[in-house]
Amino acid sequence: GAVVSQHPSWVICKSGTSVKIECRSLDFQATTMFWYRQFPKQSLMLMATSNEGSKATYEQGVEKDKFLINHASLTLSTLTVTSAHPEDSSFYICSARAGSQETQYFGPGTRLLVL
Amino acid sequence: GEDVEQSLFLSVREGDSSVINCTYTDSSSTYLYWYKQEPGAGLQLLTYIFSNMDMKQDQRLTVLLNKKDKHLSLRIADTQTGDSAIYFCAESMYGNTPLVFGKGTRLSVIA
Repeated sequence: GAVVSQHPSWVICKSGTSVKIECRSLDFQATTMFWYRQFPKQSLMLMATSNEGSKATYEQGVEKDKFLINHASLTLSTLTVTSAHPEDSSFYICSARAGSQETQYFGPGTRLLVL
Repeated sequence: GEDVEQSLFLSVREGDSSVINCTYTDSSSTYLYWYKQEPGAGLQLLTYIFSNMDMKQDQRLTVLLNKKDKHLSLRIADTQTGDSAIYFCAESMYGNTPLVFGKGTRLSVIA
């Protein structure tokens, strides 16, 4: 099956710093990537939809200036958490969809801890 | 808006069958998915079903869809300890729309 990787798998940072998370589709071209956030013992909440070469579409309540998304190529999307604060600590998961394929393939997730 | 509901916990004995239930509200849901999440890991697609199907079987997994009642179930036959995980039900209207997830059902398998 299709493989999606994320890097880093976990990160600890100080409050006020920015953190970049990469999402890569390893064996297919992902025209659309999705970024989700998961709080402990809760479901995934969609943050934004990212289409290659265009601006991301953010869900209501998600600050686009806080969570910068770049989808510069068909195999890479990045999420940058700017000026991170402890409340941004969470599990961030990306998924990728290839063209007309219906299935979303998920990355392994990145655990962010902001101190 | 769209909503997907699941029971939060299920405990079964090893070797028994597990049935995880899910209900959804959006009658225009076209694709319905089951994902598995092991501790600290991302989501693994287990199976999915189109809304024009009633049942789909894949080895130990059987998905049943009652479109009239908007009810989806996942049956795991001969449940093993390695099946212990959180199982998420998800739906989407079209193949290219984001998924709406349930809160997940934590399956515990007792040896």
